Amino acid sequence: AQSVTQPDIHITVSEGASLELRCNYSYGATPYLFWYVQSPGQGLQLLLKYFSGDTLVQGIKGFEAEFKRSQSSFNLRKPSVHWSDAAEYFCAVVRSGNTGFQKLVFGTGTRLLVSP
Amino acid sequence: DAGVTQSPTHLIKTRGQHVTLRCSPISGHKSVSWYQQVLGQGPQFIFQYYEKEERGRGNFPDRFSARQFPNYSSELNVNALLLGDSALYLCASSLANRGRVNTEAFFGQGTRLTVV
Repeated sequence: AQSVTQPDIHITVSEGASLELRCNYSYGATPYLFWYVQSPGQGLQLLLKYFSGDTLVQGIKGFEAEFKRSQSSFNLRKPSVHWSDAAEYFCAVVRSGNTGFQKLVFGTGTRLLVSP
Repeated sequence: DAGVTQSPTHLIKTRGQHVTLRCSPISGHKSVSWYQQVLGQGPQFIFQYYEKEERGRGNFPDRFSARQFPNYSSELNVNALLLGDSALYLCASSLANRGRVNTEAFFGQGTRLTVV
């Protein structure tokens, strides 16, 4: 079944430094992949999504992600981190249910801390 | 336009009680999904409704139930509350047709349920 793994529980990055958050997926065919961000006590905001086509996907807030089939990865990147980027980041994949519906399956999340 | 709205924002209940959480989707969205997010984990799928019909159900006990109304708003009900039901309950709406997540899901801010 489709699933995602986020190997890093938390990451600390200096403000202005580059960022890469890892996400590995498990699925034979081309998956539908998403990155969401969650600020403390808040809901989830979609950063970007990949369905097909260009493997480099641009999102909001200066984020991008690259789909690499050979590595089963969909890592999130940002060239220069701002203090406001401190939050929890979730990678998610669409999984098909046995009645034909589709749902989101989330990773365990990576907490990003930004140091001055 | 209003986003996905959930009520209440916070709730404290005693073990054994019943709770009803409410969700209003974005105007025009006919699909509503519910997710449970326990502290420190990613959201877990509970239900999906489309056009007032249940399209999918996650691995949750029968104490959890939901319904969708003609105006596409939704309620999540949990009976006989346990301490382990304490979590952030997230509602998501989408333009998904027949339960297929082929467009992005928009999440509400969630309802923080604490069971004591």
